[in-house]
Amino acid sequence: EAGVVQSPRYKIIEKKQPVAFWCNPISGHNTLYWYLQNLGQGPELLIRYENEEAVDDSQLPKDRFSAERLKGVDSTLKIQPAELGDSAVYLCASSLGGGLAGLNEQFFGPGTRLTVL
Amino acid sequence: AQSVTQPDIHITVSEGASLELRCNYSYGATPYLFWYVQSPGQGLQLLLKYFSGDTLVQGIKGFEAEFKRSQSSFNLRKPSVHWSDAAEYFCAVGATAAGNKLTFGGGTRVLVKP
Repeated sequence: EAGVVQSPRYKIIEKKQPVAFWCNPISGHNTLYWYLQNLGQGPELLIRYENEEAVDDSQLPKDRFSAERLKGVDSTLKIQPAELGDSAVYLCASSLGGGLAGLNEQFFGPGTRLTVL
Repeated sequence: AQSVTQPDIHITVSEGASLELRCNYSYGATPYLFWYVQSPGQGLQLLLKYFSGDTLVQGIKGFEAEFKRSQSSFNLRKPSVHWSDAAEYFCAVGATAAGNKLTFGGGTRVLVKP
């Protein structure tokens, strides 16, 4: 069974440019998460989807970040415009259900490492 | 709000020696506790979890962890480390009352000497 797929794996852009990350969760997983992982730190949740609905986006900086999961399967996270401080790893995870099932185990993709110059 | 502290940023251990990684959490009710491992270029992988019941939890790859409510701790242990255990380890706390949110600690990087 394929795991969580993310692309691209690496991205280098100049500040003020837009950038987008793509995530395809494990088949059948209706809950999808985007995390931000700064260097030397643990992941921090940006947004959680249950199917197409963003049920927790309280930590997403909405002035420059946006996300979508139009058909309840794959998802895109966008930054526009990117700032120097956005350099980090962006992780996608999925789980079979939210609630306790979502806490039970989240499966993580390898992440996209973003460098903003 | 829930929080997790991993006091050790780096730990170096010799292959075959025992390993213990510390984790302290802060949460008002009974927490759900997790240990994840992140190898270079890989996503995080769940090692073990504690929800309730026996406070000594067995996980994959020979790891175990013990929940101690009185110390607000959930330390991870392995009796004999292999070179492939070199990675970063993250402790996390989750709570349904907090919207099923996982809060991670800052991580401990483990280096294994031959």
